[in-house]
Amino acid sequence: QSALTQPPSASGSPGQSVTISCTGTSSDVGGYNYVSWYQQHPGKAPKLMIYEVSKRPSGVPDRFSGSKSGNTASLTVSGLQAEDEADYYCSSYAGSNNLEVVVFGGGTKLTVL
Amino acid sequence: EVQLVESGGGLVKPGGSLRLSCAASGFTFSSYSMNWVRQAPGKGLEWVSSISSSSSYIYYADSVKGRFTISRDNAKNSLYLQMNSLRAEDTAVYYCARQKWFGESDAFDIWGQGTMVTVSS
Repeated sequence: QSALTQPPSASGSPGQSVTISCTGTSSDVGGYNYVSWYQQHPGKAPKLMIYEVSKRPSGVPDRFSGSKSGNTASLTVSGLQAEDEADYYCSSYAGSNNLEVVVFGGGTKLTVL
Repeated sequence: EVQLVESGGGLVKPGGSLRLSCAASGFTFSSYSMNWVRQAPGKGLEWVSSISSSSSYIYYADSVKGRFTISRDNAKNSLYLQMNSLRAEDTAVYYCARQKWFGESDAFDIWGQGTMVTVSS
């Protein structure tokens, strides 16, 4: 069982928006602004899409945005495109005193219909 | 080009050992904390271990504590993971990942292509 909870699947049609949630606790998501999101296409390495809850690394389209409220973080993909179909994972720092310093969500498979 | 290349994966029997390596290039390796993250077949990502730039701070996931040892050689731009007492549940693709500090937080911004470890008799 993953430390952070994500819905196993999400879907949307091209051009639509979809939001993926990531629920943790006050010891991880709610306690730090260290939430990041990763995109993974089949057979490929993960790619950083969002860091520090809502910031985009250079080269990531502004269609990708992140937010957080309490213990739940969210990734929104606007203007869905076929290439956005992938698995998405959230991650959070959980403190060096915890059993796990970094925790991931179980992943959400995004399907573009 | 900034790059991480893992090697050392393979098939090993339960109870056996394996040493993974990650060769870094295109950036100042000694300035970054590094991590190992694994992914079991058809499963999600699992953080395994991290090591600070000067090896002063080392952390492990509870699932590998006491069995795995992370280390680095900044002179060789290399990261290692010594895996002992391997179990079937350690079967996974193992990724090395660079941990970048963005000013107020950090994240894994560069990932290798992964190396497969299979633990089976």
